Amino acid sequence: QVQLQESGPGLVKPLETLSLTCTVSGDSVTSGSYHWSWIRQPPGKGLEWIGYIYDSGSTNYNPSLKSRVTISIDTSKNQFSLKLSSVTAADTAVYYCARGRSTFGWGDWGQGTLVTVSS
Amino acid sequence: QSALTQPASVSGSPGQSITISCTGTSSDIGFYNSVSWYQQHPGKAPKLMIYEVSYRPSGVSNRFSGSKSDNTASLTISGLQAEDEANYYCSSYTSSSTWVFGGGTKLTVL
Repeated sequence: QVQLQESGPGLVKPLETLSLTCTVSGDSVTSGSYHWSWIRQPPGKGLEWIGYIYDSGSTNYNPSLKSRVTISIDTSKNQFSLKLSSVTAADTAVYYCARGRSTFGWGDWGQGTLVTVSS
Repeated sequence: QSALTQPASVSGSPGQSITISCTGTSSDIGFYNSVSWYQQHPGKAPKLMIYEVSYRPSGVSNRFSGSKSDNTASLTISGLQAEDEANYYCSSYTSSSTWVFGGGTKLTVL
């Protein structure tokens, strides 16, 4: 049973960079056929896909966030990470990491972590 | 890319059936059979209920079913139960190899 756990600061100042890490246990990030995604949900609002990465390092991002997002993977630590630069209050959200398979969607999710952007 | 369109809310009585629609374009829902549906209870992570339009992951009740016609996908829940009350989100893979979600539908069991 794979488990995903998000970690990182819960408070980020405006214009700074939000950094989160997802630690995967119960499976390897190199197990193949899976993509590792970040998805966020502003308080009281819907889900927004941020981007994904494969163990090869291949990535794709939401076009609306592409200029500010970087997703990376550390196979030695079995982790993948999110960096979102120049944040504003609009980036305040619960951030989820999730594992997806091919085009099947995401069957495994972390519990989510709330990140607030405020001075 | 624009979000998929879902009704803001639907409701039904226990035992009834309801259907939630999810409308996209020929670049997402109409492009692939890669529509998935998620159930989210307050304060919880989303749970995958349907993938590839109509397939149920192991452990998901057969009361949940999915379908698609052209650019619109649908989730049907039959034999409504109180525990089905939640928010439901559709998602689709796109022709740009990205993903897009719907705005979400709040299901109320009367």
